[in-house]
Amino acid sequence: NAGVMQNPRHLVRRRGQEARLRCSPMKGHSHVYWYRQLPEEGLKFMVYLQKENIIDESGMPKERFSAEFPKEGPSILRIQQVVRGDSAAYFCASSPGRVVNTEAFFGQGTRLTVV
Amino acid sequence: AQTVTQSQPEMSVQEAETVTLSCTYDTSENNYYLFWYKQPPSRQMILVIRQEAYKQQNATENRFSVNFQKAAKSFSLKISDSQLGDTAMYFCAFIRYTGNQFYFGTGTSLTVIP
Repeated sequence: NAGVMQNPRHLVRRRGQEARLRCSPMKGHSHVYWYRQLPEEGLKFMVYLQKENIIDESGMPKERFSAEFPKEGPSILRIQQVVRGDSAAYFCASSPGRVVNTEAFFGQGTRLTVV
Repeated sequence: AQTVTQSQPEMSVQEAETVTLSCTYDTSENNYYLFWYKQPPSRQMILVIRQEAYKQQNATENRFSVNFQKAAKSFSLKISDSQLGDTAMYFCAFIRYTGNQFYFGTGTSLTVIP
């Protein structure tokens, strides 16, 4: 059973471009979480999704950021019109149920650099 | 609001020795869970240990154990017989029983010296 797969591992975008980050959860996991890690900081929650539904997006910036977890395929975190402040490592985690009742497994992250 | 504080940005320990990493948290909740995650240079977040707040007994996992002081809102991690592979960032994390998100501290960078 492969772990949580994130791609790409590294992504470089120019200011104003779009960034698409992909996350394939572990097999059998229908709960996906996205976190952002700024330099020298801990991970900060962005959004929690179940298949086709956004459950909690309280950590998502109001503009330019969106996330989806379609019935088929990976979860996508999309950042439109990227700015330098979006440079960070973005982590995805998945779990088979609510994270308090099970274990969340993290991917290795996507490091986004905006130039 | 929930906050998690790790006051030791960096620590080092000699191989085979014991080290303790500190973590305090603030919450008005009574039911919650606490975690320690390890992040080696590969950036993979790996669960080290988990503690349910309603359990008084401290969790242990092989060489890793915690000292959970609920009244003091303290949750320290003790690593015994430190190994070179323990070199990593360690993050303390909190989640409410009814919550969906982890709250992470800013991490402690641990270096095990041969």
